[in-house]
Amino acid sequence: GENVEQHPSTLSVQEGDSAVIKCTYSDSASNYFPWYKQELGKRPQLIIDIRSNVGEKKDQRIAVTLNKTAKHFSLHITETQPEDSAVYFCAASIASGGSNYKLTFGKGTLLTVNP
Amino acid sequence: GAGVSQSPSNKVTEKGKDVELRCDPISGHTALYWYRQSLGQGLEFLIYFQGNSAPDKSGLPSDRFSAERTGGSVSTLTIQRTQQEDSAVYLCASSVTRTYNEQFFGPGTRLTVL
Repeated sequence: GENVEQHPSTLSVQEGDSAVIKCTYSDSASNYFPWYKQELGKRPQLIIDIRSNVGEKKDQRIAVTLNKTAKHFSLHITETQPEDSAVYFCAASIASGGSNYKLTFGKGTLLTVNP
Repeated sequence: GAGVSQSPSNKVTEKGKDVELRCDPISGHTALYWYRQSLGQGLEFLIYFQGNSAPDKSGLPSDRFSAERTGGSVSTLTIQRTQQEDSAVYLCASSVTRTYNEQFFGPGTRLTVL
C-alpha cells in the first residue's frame, strides 16, 4: 500500500520568514495530494491540494509543488504569520472514477511561527 | 450549512468494554470515511463507505472494530472489548462523489481506555 513520509516533524520560524514542508510517497499510481492544517484541538481543514497533472499550484501565501518522477511534493508558506502555527499534514490518494478514495497521511509537521 | 458532526466528543471507558462512536456526515455527501489519530501520529485510515457499494474495511486494525452506515447517512464505528492501545481521536470525514473531492472532517471523538 501507499506510504507517505513527511519532514520535518517540527519547524520553528520567525514571523515573516518562509516555511517549507516536504513529503514523499511510494505508490506511483497516487495522483491527488492534499494538505491539511490542524490547529490545536480542532479538526483538520484542507488548505491546498494538487493533482498529478500539474507541477505547482499557488493560493496567496501558500504554494505546493509536485515532482512525479521523484515522487515528492512540498508545501511552501511565505511571509509566515503567528496564525499559521499549527500541525500540517500531507496526504496522497488515488483519484479515479467517482471518488478520490482514502487518504494516506504523513505524520504531520508542527509549525511554530514566533512573533 | 452544517458540517460533519460526531458524538460523543469525549468517551472514557474501561478496558474490555464496548464503545460506539457516531458520525453525521454533511447532507448529500455519499462518501464517508473513518480515520484514527493517535498522539503525535498522522491520521490512519480505517474504513470507507461509498454509496451502496460494499465498504472498504482494509484499514480496520482488528476484528474488534466494525462500522456500519445506515440509510446512506449516519455511520457508527463500534469497538468491542476495548484495549488501551485503542485510545486515540477517531475522526470521521465525508465528501461528495466525484474525482478529486475534498474530504470534510468532523471534530472527532477522543476515546480514552483506562
